[in-house]
Amino acid sequence: GAGVSQTPSNKVTEKGKYVELRCDPISGHTALYWYRQSLGQGPEFLIYFQGTGAADDSGLPNDRFFAVRPEGSVSTLKIQRTERGDSAVYLCASSLNTGNEQFFGPGTRLTVL
Amino acid sequence: KNEVEQSPQNLTAQEGEFITINCSYSVGISALHWLQQHPGGGIVSLFMLSSGKKKHGRLIATINIQEKHSSLHITASHPRDSAVYICAVRILVRGLIFGTGTRLQVFP
Repeated sequence: GAGVSQTPSNKVTEKGKYVELRCDPISGHTALYWYRQSLGQGPEFLIYFQGTGAADDSGLPNDRFFAVRPEGSVSTLKIQRTERGDSAVYLCASSLNTGNEQFFGPGTRLTVL
Repeated sequence: KNEVEQSPQNLTAQEGEFITINCSYSVGISALHWLQQHPGGGIVSLFMLSSGKKKHGRLIATINIQEKHSSLHITASHPRDSAVYICAVRILVRGLIFGTGTRLQVFP
């Protein structure tokens, strides 16, 4: 079956612009996670959803970052007033339920010029 | 100090060698994950452990909860095993906390 998909695969934007990154989880998976991986680093946790609600958003670095999952399936990570330091690969993962094995998407590579 | 430490950071091996990657963590966890990431590729989950030992093909993962330590073993290593191996832990119902990874290169 289809795995986790993320769009776009690459996004180049200018400093100060707004971007949206999309994640389509595996059908039926109730838990969805966003992570960020900077070059040469391990991924770091941003936010996780159980259903439609953000169960833990403690990893979001500041209020420029926001994520939604209005129908409990697709999620969008939104970044306002992008900064060069936001450049990274943004990874999405989903799991059947909280605590189950997580399946990762291919990531969106964001470059802020 | 990172909550999740891996060693070694880099590892090279000849094809056929037995490989061990170690992971130590400093917090109470509900589960530990071993993940594989190929250059330019996505992350693949290898194991999720909360106790004992799991085996899948040539891969074996063990965890000692009391010592807060896990190992990933690869038997009869092959060049296609070359990748970054990442240890990640789950605390209660949060997202994963990742180690910095171990870069493995297996030469023919």
